[in-house]
Amino acid sequence: EAGVTQFPSHSVIEKGQTVTLRCDPISGHDNLYWYRRVMGKEIKFLLHFVKESKQDESGMPNNRFLAERTGGTYSTLKVQPAELEDSGVYFCASSQDRELQGIHYEQYFGPGTRLTVT
Amino acid sequence: QKEVEQDPGPLSVPEGAIVSLNCTYSNSAFQYFMWYRQYSRKGPELLMYTYSSGNKEDGRFTAQVDKSSKYISLFIRDSQPSDSATYLCAPREVGGTSYGKLTFGQGTILTVHP
Repeated sequence: EAGVTQFPSHSVIEKGQTVTLRCDPISGHDNLYWYRRVMGKEIKFLLHFVKESKQDESGMPNNRFLAERTGGTYSTLKVQPAELEDSGVYFCASSQDRELQGIHYEQYFGPGTRLTVT
Repeated sequence: QKEVEQDPGPLSVPEGAIVSLNCTYSNSAFQYFMWYRQYSRKGPELLMYTYSSGNKEDGRFTAQVDKSSKYISLFIRDSQPSDSATYLCAPREVGGTSYGKLTFGQGTILTVHP
C-alpha cells in the first residue's frame, strides 16, 4: 500500500510568486491534514479535511493560504503571494474515519515539501 | 506560553543507555498522547500512543502520562544507534471541531553512539 505522497519535494520561489503544493493521501483515508514546520519552531497544524469539507482550519495563518480537496481525494495548498516567513517544510497527513471513543486512528505523514522563499 | 513544551536537546547517549524524553502541556482537554519519531528528511511516524493517564509498553519503549501534573514521558531501554532521530510528543483532544489537530512539541534530537 502506497503511503502519503507529496509533490514537489522541494520548491524554491521568489517573494511574491505563487506556489502550489500537492498531497495524495493513502487510498480510502477520508481525513487529510496539513502541517508546517518553520525553521527552529515546532510542527504546527494548518487545517483538517474530512472528505472534501474543511473540518478545522484554525491553523491557517492568513488569507494568502488556500487549501482545497476537490472530490475528497488529493489536496492542494496554494500560497499566493509567498512571503519570506512562509519558508519551511509543509507536511501532509491522512487517517481513516473519525475516531470512536477509545480507538485512535493514526495520522500517517508524508515526507514533506521543503519550501524556500527568497 | 506554548501548549506543549519539549526540550529540543540535543541528547547524546552511548549505546545501551536508558533514554528519558519528556514534555509538559497546559491544555487539560488533551486526551490522546502520541510520540512520533522523525528521521532526517522524512515525515514523522507514529511510535506509540496512550489514551488518558497511565503507562504503555511496546518492546523497548514505554510511554507514560501523568495528567495531574500534565507531564508526558517516553523511555527507551537498551538504546540502539538506529534510535537516533528526533522524537516529538503530540497530544490531541477528543471530540469537538479540533479533534484531528495534533499539537507538537519542538522535538528532542537524540543521538545514540556505538
